[in-house]
Amino acid sequence: GIQVEQSPPDLILQEGANSTLRCNFSDSVNNLQWFHQNPWGQLINLFYIPSGTKQNGRLSATTVATERYSLLYISSSQTTDSGVYFCAVGESGTASKLTFGTGTRLQVTL
Amino acid sequence: DAGITQSPRHKVTETGTPVTLRCHQTENHRYMYWYRQDPGHGLRLIHYSYGVKDTDKGEVSDGYSVSRSKTEDFLLTLESATSSQTSVYFCAISEPGRYQPQHFGDGTRLSIL
Repeated sequence: GIQVEQSPPDLILQEGANSTLRCNFSDSVNNLQWFHQNPWGQLINLFYIPSGTKQNGRLSATTVATERYSLLYISSSQTTDSGVYFCAVGESGTASKLTFGTGTRLQVTL
Repeated sequence: DAGITQSPRHKVTETGTPVTLRCHQTENHRYMYWYRQDPGHGLRLIHYSYGVKDTDKGEVSDGYSVSRSKTEDFLLTLESATSSQTSVYFCAISEPGRYQPQHFGDGTRLSIL
């Protein structure tokens, strides 16, 4: 099956800093989603982005499908951004079945 | 917030007992999913459903069964629970087709002693 690798595994930032999280995948995908798991364990869908660029407030994401990677940008980080960020992909033909990466754990400090 | 309710939210049981987890949605979404989350593994798909009485296996389906008799309910059953099934279980929903994000319930923490 498809492999999904996320980097870095852990990241500590001071409030106000910017960061870039990366997701590499091993095969063509028709479906790529970014999720945030907050410290209470809730999973929130951030972006559905199989290709191109999207922005939502301080967050933006870019997927370059031909090169098999996606980037999640967090600008002016806040303590509420802390948690784990997951990338998940769906292969062509089985796009609704997601394979998750192991996540990037982000801690934003004051 | 998507209308997804998982029950129970927490459960402790013993090895060998049957366990059923319930996922209830009020969004009328066609697709429903069960995942488990374990340290170092992210989330892994157990089973999914693409309509009433239509289900299929995911990556880690051994030891689990599912049923979907109504659009709004998707049940996950551990016929004889084992300690390796101790995990946090998440239900998700989506519509079929492209550009349809998955939305998750709040999870069920299951401990098997």
